[in-house]
Amino acid sequence: AQSVTQPDIHITVSEGASLELRCNYSYGATPYLFWYVQSPGQGLQLLLKYFSGDTLVQGIKGFEAEFKRSQSSFNLRKPSVHWSDAAEYFCAVSSYNTDKLIFGTGTRLQVFP
Amino acid sequence: GAGVSQSPSNKVTEKGKDVELRCDPISGHTALYWYRQSLGQGLEFLIYFQGTGAADDSGLPNDRFFAVRPEGSVSTLKIQRTERGDSAVYLCASSLSRRGSTDTQYFGPGTRLTVL
Repeated sequence: AQSVTQPDIHITVSEGASLELRCNYSYGATPYLFWYVQSPGQGLQLLLKYFSGDTLVQGIKGFEAEFKRSQSSFNLRKPSVHWSDAAEYFCAVSSYNTDKLIFGTGTRLQVFP
Repeated sequence: GAGVSQSPSNKVTEKGKDVELRCDPISGHTALYWYRQSLGQGLEFLIYFQGTGAADDSGLPNDRFFAVRPEGSVSTLKIQRTERGDSAVYLCASSLSRRGSTDTQYFGPGTRLTVL
């Protein structure tokens, strides 16, 4: 079955520290992979996406993610976290033969000053 | 133009009543999606429209839920005889075009539905 796993429900980091949010997927077809961010009371905003090509993708707000097919992973990283990055982060997968996004359960990021 | 808009932003209803939730997609976007976000189930796909037709309604939980998009723009999600378990945030998204494309889905702010 198609699924996305975000093993960390809640992560706390200090401002300025580096960040890595984990995402693993299970998908039969070649996956399209996405990271979205949701701030309180807001809709989902796309941070970055991967379809093919270079496995390291750059997104908005200084985020990047690396696709590792051998590990079925698409982890999100940021070298230095800002207090405004506190939000919930969702990894999602789709493919060329589907229309819908399948989401992970999300990781809530808390940033301490 | 503007992003995806949804109305109302909040809806409180009593068990057994019908509700309608509206989504205005980004102008020119032919694809429209409905998702539901709830504490127990996370973010779930409900239905996808390509133009006026529902191309995939496999995520609708039961026949109390249905959605329409009569003119290929605005969509309405209708829930009949609401139950407490329907309480959730209903998110709408739109994208430029076709099935399986790499076009980004842009999400609206959602409608928070509370069934008392």
